[in-house]
Amino acid sequence: DAGITQSPRHKVTETGTPVTLRCHQTENHRYMYWYRQDPGHGLRLIHYSYGVKDTDKGEVSDGYSVSRSKTEDFLLTLESATSSQTSVYFCAVQPTETNYGYTFGSGTRLTVV
Amino acid sequence: AQSVTQPDIHITVSEGASLELRCNYSYGATPYLFWYVQSPGQGLQLLLKYFSGDTLVQGIKGFEAEFKRSQSSFNLRKPSVHWSDAAEYFCAVGSRASGGSYIPTFGRGTSLIVHP
Repeated sequence: DAGITQSPRHKVTETGTPVTLRCHQTENHRYMYWYRQDPGHGLRLIHYSYGVKDTDKGEVSDGYSVSRSKTEDFLLTLESATSSQTSVYFCAVQPTETNYGYTFGSGTRLTVV
Repeated sequence: AQSVTQPDIHITVSEGASLELRCNYSYGATPYLFWYVQSPGQGLQLLLKYFSGDTLVQGIKGFEAEFKRSQSSFNLRKPSVHWSDAAEYFCAVGSRASGGSYIPTFGRGTSLIVHP
């Protein structure tokens, strides 16, 4: 599983509070991605990173920010959580620049009440 | 912009029967195509991928997919389904993005139900 760990696995938080999800990888992959998965929508890209401090927005980036201060960690922050951000969040890594088969983490189930 | 359509939300098959999951894509250039499988409560696992060459691609767990450019399709097949194949299946088409990264766009998924 490319040594991907997502934390926490489950979280319940209140509307308006900040939340940070962590993706940790142990294999020094350059490219990392955050997706959210919702019924009927498949997976949608939130943000991605192509190196330390190099990030870009995806399809559904509003309300989310990311940081990557070291290769192994890619953090996703919900600045002020809303109920529409209740979802399952997946981190993925791209093994190399020419290997396009992603490896996914096990996901974080976030509930905003 | 690329897009992926999986026309079937649910498919039900009997164990031992053959399976075909449909995927149609829209992409201007030569597509990079993928199939992923997701078991309940798990992340996605790559089944197979197509970049170029032989249009019939073999994957893990006995799956194969055929790329048909004229039909913009990349259908997934398995000759004999096992109960453990019950899962959600996602087709994806990829494109280049910033810094050499590579972004797949996923379809909405097909849920496979296997009857004993």
